[in-house]
Amino acid sequence: DVKVTQSSRYLVKRTGEKVFLECVQDMDHENMFWYRQDPGLGLRLIYFSYDVKMKEKGDIPEGYSVSREKKERFSLILESASTNQTSMYLCASRVRTNTEAFFGQGTRLTVV
Amino acid sequence: AQSVTQLDSQVPVFEEAPVELRCNYSSSVSVYLFWYVQYPNQGLQLLLKYLSGSTLVKGINGFEAEFNKSQTSFHLRKPSVHISDTAEYFCALIEQGGSEKLVFGKGTKLTVNP
Repeated sequence: DVKVTQSSRYLVKRTGEKVFLECVQDMDHENMFWYRQDPGLGLRLIYFSYDVKMKEKGDIPEGYSVSREKKERFSLILESASTNQTSMYLCASRVRTNTEAFFGQGTRLTVV
Repeated sequence: AQSVTQLDSQVPVFEEAPVELRCNYSSSVSVYLFWYVQYPNQGLQLLLKYLSGSTLVKGINGFEAEFNKSQTSFHLRKPSVHISDTAEYFCALIEQGGSEKLVFGKGTKLTVNP
């Protein structure tokens, strides 16, 4: 069975902290994505990785960075968390462009 | 740049009524199109996809969608909805030969009332 696992369902962090959100897929997929989901704004792409060590900025990369050292793992990093980064974060992976993307359950991050 | 517009942010319907969730897209090249569903407190799950071929696509849970290239639309339909269809629905696209980004609309919240 296909599986995309995000390390935490709920996370509370303080302003200014460095935050790591981890995503692991067990399907040997090339492509991985990080989105944030906010009410009324849908899913907005933060970063996209099309292969190991390869990344591309999405629509809202400011304040975020990513790391993909191994094929199965894609990490989202908030260098210095701010309250406006309070959101639901969704990770996804797919094998190639014209195939279905599989999503994790999401991490609800609250920055206080 | 490519974009997806979901024309209704909320759609309330009664159980067993038909429903149509509208999606329009903008792109300068051919696209692949997808509909995803998100149940409360869960991730997204694929309902159906259009890659090529027949413009009428059937998906899971009795949903179907029709690709209309001239109208740049990909509307989702179900002839008779159930309470369990209450969820948020997202339309998405990928440009063929383009950046490979999966771009989403803002979502439509479908509420099925008894």
